[in-house]
Amino acid sequence: AQSVSQHNHHVILSEAASLELGCNYSYGGTVNLFWYVQYPGQHLQLLLKYFSGDPLVKGIKGFEAEFIKSKFSFNLRKPSVQWSDTAEYFCAVNAWNRDDKIIFGKGTRLHILP
Amino acid sequence: GAVVSQHPSRVICKSGTSVKIECRSLDFQATTMFWYRQFPKQSLMLMATSNEGSKATYEQGVEKDKFLINHASLTLSTLTVTSAHPEDSSFYICSATRWDHYGYTFGSGTRLTVV
Repeated sequence: AQSVSQHNHHVILSEAASLELGCNYSYGGTVNLFWYVQYPGQHLQLLLKYFSGDPLVKGIKGFEAEFIKSKFSFNLRKPSVQWSDTAEYFCAVNAWNRDDKIIFGKGTRLHILP
Repeated sequence: GAVVSQHPSRVICKSGTSVKIECRSLDFQATTMFWYRQFPKQSLMLMATSNEGSKATYEQGVEKDKFLINHASLTLSTLTVTSAHPEDSSFYICSATRWDHYGYTFGSGTRLTVV
């Protein structure tokens, strides 16, 4: 069965630090990959997505993610975080040729210290 | 950890009938629940936000009379698709959070097929 694993449940960083959030998935076929962010009290927002093409995907707010097929990974990165990046981040996977079910990781809570 | 159960995981119904989808928080009190819809090969679309004991807030373009949301208790929210049509066929997923919005948990989703 498909699954998504986010390694860090809670990350605390200082402003200007670099960020990398891990995401691994299990599915042998073609996938669509997403990173979503949810700020406190708000609904989910799409940060970036990978469907095909360049495995290095750039999203909003300076985030990027790299799809490494051989490692089944789609890690999220940002070179310099801001206090406003404090939020919960979700990795999600949608397998092609399945029933379009999207599977979410359990989320990583990111707390940025001012 | 927090667990959200969504039921059914898959449902097929005839055009014109109604379908109810349940979203339950099993080990925490969910004061806020979100309902999303996913179209094929696209990202999630927020349909509505529901707070326990009050009317749901619908996103623009979502018909509130068609997608009835009830959040009558701190552990249960339901989405009823009324008079379903084939274009309502989609993947619906809920997420829930506590009063302090400390963490969000997703249900496993419901695949609705209207024939």
